[in-house]
Amino acid sequence: KQEVTQIPAALSVPEGENLVLNCSFTDSAIYNLQWFRQDPGKGLTSLLLIQSSQREQTSGRLNASLDKSSGRSTLYIAASQPGDSATYLCAVGSSGSRLTFGEGTQLTVNP
Amino acid sequence: EPEVTQTPSHQVTQMGQEVILRCVPISNHLYFYWYRQILGQKVEFLVSFYNNEISEKSEIFDDQFSVERPDGSNFTLKIRSTKLEDSAMYFCASIRDRGGSPGELFFGEGSRLTVL
Repeated sequence: KQEVTQIPAALSVPEGENLVLNCSFTDSAIYNLQWFRQDPGKGLTSLLLIQSSQREQTSGRLNASLDKSSGRSTLYIAASQPGDSATYLCAVGSSGSRLTFGEGTQLTVNP
Repeated sequence: EPEVTQTPSHQVTQMGQEVILRCVPISNHLYFYWYRQILGQKVEFLVSFYNNEISEKSEIFDDQFSVERPDGSNFTLKIRSTKLEDSAMYFCASIRDRGGSPGELFFGEGSRLTVL
């Protein structure tokens, strides 16, 4: 059974800092990995999708990497802004496109 | 930009009542999902649906739950007799295809269910 863990659970940084969020998964037989953003009481906004054959994906200030063999992914956020404050969720796609989610990292960027 | 829409945004019900949550997936998507998130917990898979039948379900999706695509646009989740522990945010999601390189899963804003 796939298990997804995210570290740290919470992170508070000053504006402008570069930061890394970590995600690990137990079963390397994955189709893809998706990073989401969730604002309080809101839905899930997809940030980046990495296919199992890819090593990284970039969108603006976000860069996600995937090391399937070691069961790890990182989300790098450059030059963080207060508007980046949210919970970031890592989700691993296995057979049937079923996603297994981590518990998330709650990010606070202080002005 | 196309999006997944869900109604209602919030529903309050009494224990034992039936609830139907509605979703309109993105129009050219073929695979549909329900997930839920109990407050403070992980997002959990409930069920996937393709070609008018369930393709996969989790252990959470017991006989109290059912899904239906009654017409060409709506996708519904019914909870027959709600329990207190059904209180959660329910998310609908859709994907265009899930072939060799499954695409991005798009989620709706969620329906918050409160069972009293």
